[in-house]
Amino acid sequence: DGGITQSPKYLFRKEGQNVTLSCEQNLNHDAMYWYRQDPGQGLRLIYYSQIVNDFQKGDIAEGYSVSREKKESFPLTVTSAQKNPTAFYLCASRTLSGANVLTFGAGSRLTVL
Amino acid sequence: AQSVTQLGSHVSVSEGALVLLRCNYSSSVPPYLFWYVQYPNQGLQLLLKYTSAATLVKGINGFEAEFKKSETSFHLTKPSAHMSDAAEYFCAVSANYGNNRLAFGKGNQVVVIP
Repeated sequence: DGGITQSPKYLFRKEGQNVTLSCEQNLNHDAMYWYRQDPGQGLRLIYYSQIVNDFQKGDIAEGYSVSREKKESFPLTVTSAQKNPTAFYLCASRTLSGANVLTFGAGSRLTVL
Repeated sequence: AQSVTQLGSHVSVSEGALVLLRCNYSSSVPPYLFWYVQYPNQGLQLLLKYTSAATLVKGINGFEAEFKKSETSFHLTKPSAHMSDAAEYFCAVSANYGNNRLAFGKGNQVVVIP
């Protein structure tokens, strides 16, 4: 079945360490997105990419980095510069035509110790 | 830019009672509107969407929503709540053309009381 795979599901990190969250999709979608979710704050956009080798900052990009070397893959690195990285991270994708419907992965929960 | 307001972070409803979640949007262009549902520690799943066709939209699990342009609203309803409806619900809006990024509301956590 087609879908989005995020890994790891749970991740613990010490302060000062960079971590990379994986996002892979086999839906042949053009655009991919990373959102951060905190309790009571909804979803906030970190980065998005509409084409390979190109990506744009979202609303809260500071302390994060991404790459888009393949259409299927859009990894997110949470750097040590991110002051409050503990959160639930969601990857999503969509086609660039049609009604802008996002398909989401199951999420990765990052906890900084 | 588009934005969404969802009031009341937590909503309690008795099993068998009406579920009503309110969503008001702001958009300078014709919008696309969405409701998503999220179960604990999972991603979001599309419940229904409005894309300028019928104003009353039916979705999965017995939910429906009505687009009211004059009220800039897209409220979500279900006639009879079931225990399995306990989840978090998000309303989202985008422009229907151009740089159509989604803007999400802060969500409603629905608790179903037996």
